[in-house]
Amino acid sequence: DAKTTQPTSMDCAEGRAANLPCNHSTISGNEYVYWYRQIHSQGPQYIIHGLKNNETNEMASLIITEDRKSSTLILPHATLRDTAVYYCIVRVGSNDYKLSFGAGTTVTVRA
Amino acid sequence: NAGVTQTPKFQVLKTGQSMTLQCAQDMNHEYMSWYRQDPGMGLRLIHYSVGAGITDQGEVPNGYNVSRSTTEDFPLRLLSAAPSQTSVYFCASTNPSTYEQYFGPGTRLTVT
Repeated sequence: DAKTTQPTSMDCAEGRAANLPCNHSTISGNEYVYWYRQIHSQGPQYIIHGLKNNETNEMASLIITEDRKSSTLILPHATLRDTAVYYCIVRVGSNDYKLSFGAGTTVTVRA
Repeated sequence: NAGVTQTPKFQVLKTGQSMTLQCAQDMNHEYMSWYRQDPGMGLRLIHYSVGAGITDQGEVPNGYNVSRSTTEDFPLRLLSAAPSQTSVYFCASTNPSTYEQYFGPGTRLTVT
């Protein structure tokens, strides 16, 4: 599986967009980019995933660069409840049940 | 629809004791997994199952056993607890259509 690199932490103002970068320069053609988040002490929560095209759902948008070597998760209007650790994971879609979580990015949303 | 449930929520064991962490899901998912999370770290895969009767090892399987006799249940057994197994344990099941992985609330285990 391709390795991912994320910043250790970032702050965001409440109501503003939060842009979370992820580098996955060794990603291969059949690997998906997944995003999960973990709010303190809870089990991780799925956010979104994509292969090549940009994706949007009710929680967030995922922008994948054309060369697929990096991506950005966008939380359009961050709230205090979005404070969490965000994990960017690359995995072959058919093997997604074997997700490998790194350290993630600790996002703190401030009032 | 309860999703993924885990019991107990908290457990304290003495070194050498054995116990079983329970996990159940009501979504009829074939894929289930067990992870552990040490303080300040990401999750690491212990064991996983792709269906009843089929299990396999993940990244950190030593000291743990699993079985899958039904689609709903996926218990994790600690054979002889060690302080290094102090951790939070999460069970998950995966929707094969959407690739979304659903996690339980976790079991916080302390081994003294």
